Amino acid sequence: EDQVTQSPEALRLQEGESSSLNCSYTVSGLRGLFWYRQDPGKGPEFLFTLYSAGEEKEKERLKATLTKKESFLHITAPKPEDSATYLCAVRKGGGADGLTFGKGTHLIIQP
Amino acid sequence: DTAVSQTPKYLVTQMGNDKSIKCEQNLGHDTMYWYKQDSKKFLKIMFSYNNKELIINETVPNRFSPKSPDKAHLNLHINSLELGDSAVYFCASSESVYGSQHFGDGTRLSIL
Repeated sequence: EDQVTQSPEALRLQEGESSSLNCSYTVSGLRGLFWYRQDPGKGPEFLFTLYSAGEEKEKERLKATLTKKESFLHITAPKPEDSATYLCAVRKGGGADGLTFGKGTHLIIQP
Repeated sequence: DTAVSQTPKYLVTQMGNDKSIKCEQNLGHDTMYWYKQDSKKFLKIMFSYNNKELIINETVPNRFSPKSPDKAHLNLHINSLELGDSAVYFCASSESVYGSQHFGDGTRLSIL
């Protein structure tokens, strides 16, 4: 069964304190690993797509990396506005499937 | 302009009623989806439509039926609502079946 596991479930950091969020996955025929940000009362906001091991993508203070078993979302010198729930999702091969999501990491950045 | 919009934002109704949620996207995307986010915030795919054809149908009750009048719209009809249907329902769209998905802000359905 395809699985996506995110850790930690919740993380509280001081402003400027860098850290990483983990997403481990077991899926046959990966056709993309996705990172989303979700604010309370809003829909998930697309951040990155990674397709192959070794791939990296960056956007402002966020950097996503991918290996054959897991992905990391690195947050460098975070600000309070980076507080949100970060969701990881995978799409498997074989056709037009929807995304399989993890349960998310609830990130709080304290000023 | 909102890319993916859902109406209504909130829906409170009695058990046993029939209701619909509407979704529209102005991105020109070919594929649209419905997801359910339960009380534990876990997002799960329900349906997707590609060029007006249903291409996946996860193990959801047949009380739920997606209907797409055109490529820009995917509505969700729910018959005989049950307490367990209470959740937030998200619509999403993507350029193709392999593109990144863009989500609406959800419809919070509460069953009394």
